[in-house]
Amino acid sequence: EVQLVESGGGLVQPGGSLRLSCAASGLTFSSYAMYWVRQAPGMGLEWVSLISDSGGYTNYADSVKGRFTISRDNSKNTLYLQMNSLRVEDTAVYYCARRSISNSNYFDYWGQGVLVAVSS
Amino acid sequence: EIVMTQAPATLSVSPGERATLSCRTSQSVSSNLAWYQQKPGQAPRLLIYGASTRATGVPARFGGSGSGTEFTLTISSLQSEDFAVYYCQQYNNWPLTFGGGAKVEI
Repeated sequence: EVQLVESGGGLVQPGGSLRLSCAASGLTFSSYAMYWVRQAPGMGLEWVSLISDSGGYTNYADSVKGRFTISRDNSKNTLYLQMNSLRVEDTAVYYCARRSISNSNYFDYWGQGVLVAVSS
Repeated sequence: EIVMTQAPATLSVSPGERATLSCRTSQSVSSNLAWYQQKPGQAPRLLIYGASTRATGVPARFGGSGSGTEFTLTISSLQSEDFAVYYCQQYNNWPLTFGGGAKVEI
């Protein structure tokens, strides 16, 4: 059974930093591109970032480009999101998600999400 | 960026009734469209991909149709567990974008 478990969320002040982790199990992690998707409280879904299976390619939404960095450690089956220069508008539940088995850019497995709250 | 518009924002239906949700894209996405279901406090769940293909384990009462810029998610006979928010997502162009969601309520 595929499981994705996020951790590392919490309350941080504007301008601060946080690193999220997503531990994967039940899949050959190194074979899949992975994503971060976020959801502000009471709002819809927003794609944040993508990393290829090898980690050699990354892509970011304009809203986080230059501030967030996605990475992965295939030896540890773990995905990361380093978030710097955080803003109030980054407050959201952050989900990690797997690229579909058909290798198209939709998400067939999601983690349970982790809350990041940016507030002074 | 492709803008996704879902209608209606809220749909009030009774168990056993049919629900039809619409998703419109600002430019053609071919059939590169997915639907997700989200219940309160839970992560989204993939329902449909390729505009019309049900994901593994999704009941047959869920059906997707459309191509280009107009798409529909139909729930043929609503069960109590189907009351949720539904999102469409295009994966034809970067950035990947979602609709604003459609809530199906009693």
